[in-house]
Amino acid sequence: DAGVTQSPTHLIKTRGQQVTLRCSPKSGHDTVSWYQQALGQGPQFIFQYYEEEERQRGNFPDRFSGHQFPNYSSELNVNALLLGDSALYLCATTPGLLFNEQFFGPGTRLTVL
Amino acid sequence: GEDVEQSLFLSVREGDSSVINCTYTDSSSTYLYWYKQEPGAGLQLLTYIFSNMDMKQDQRLTVLLNKKDKHLSLRIADTQTGDSAIYFCAETSYQKVTFGTGTKLQVIP
Repeated sequence: DAGVTQSPTHLIKTRGQQVTLRCSPKSGHDTVSWYQQALGQGPQFIFQYYEEEERQRGNFPDRFSGHQFPNYSSELNVNALLLGDSALYLCATTPGLLFNEQFFGPGTRLTVL
Repeated sequence: GEDVEQSLFLSVREGDSSVINCTYTDSSSTYLYWYKQEPGAGLQLLTYIFSNMDMKQDQRLTVLLNKKDKHLSLRIADTQTGDSAIYFCAETSYQKVTFGTGTKLQVIP
């Protein structure tokens, strides 16, 4: 079992650009949550996808959007990048909507210049 | 909004017990969690406790929950150098999860 995988591992963008991050869930998991972890902080919940729909959303602007595919993999899109979007973006997957068996991927480090 | 607070740093000697504390504000929390994050890695779920429990033990880990004071603690018995990491507590309510800022545990050989 490959666990939760994310791509790319690192990314450098400039302000105003758009970025797409990808996540493949652990085998048997159908729910994907995305988090933003700024340096020295805890992860902040962005949103959760289940059955290809956004189910819950944290306090993030509409510049942050996502998608879930029929194979349960997911993408996080961020438009009009700001310097403050620089962070580690973590994907976590669960079998169903509860967070009790949440497995995290290694993350994508995004740097916005 | 919900708030979860932790002390920033804890240093212990190898073989001693470590106690990491967390306070939260949301009285409707359903589950509370402890995660471990090692450098350059994602988060690893260590254990979780349902809000109507006051204690849970899992090998070297003991979780204590004081719901009245909204206080959660994680005790690691016989702390090893491999336990050095950042530990996050988190709580869920209404299908949203809130993490604390993390406690960095340093284990001195």
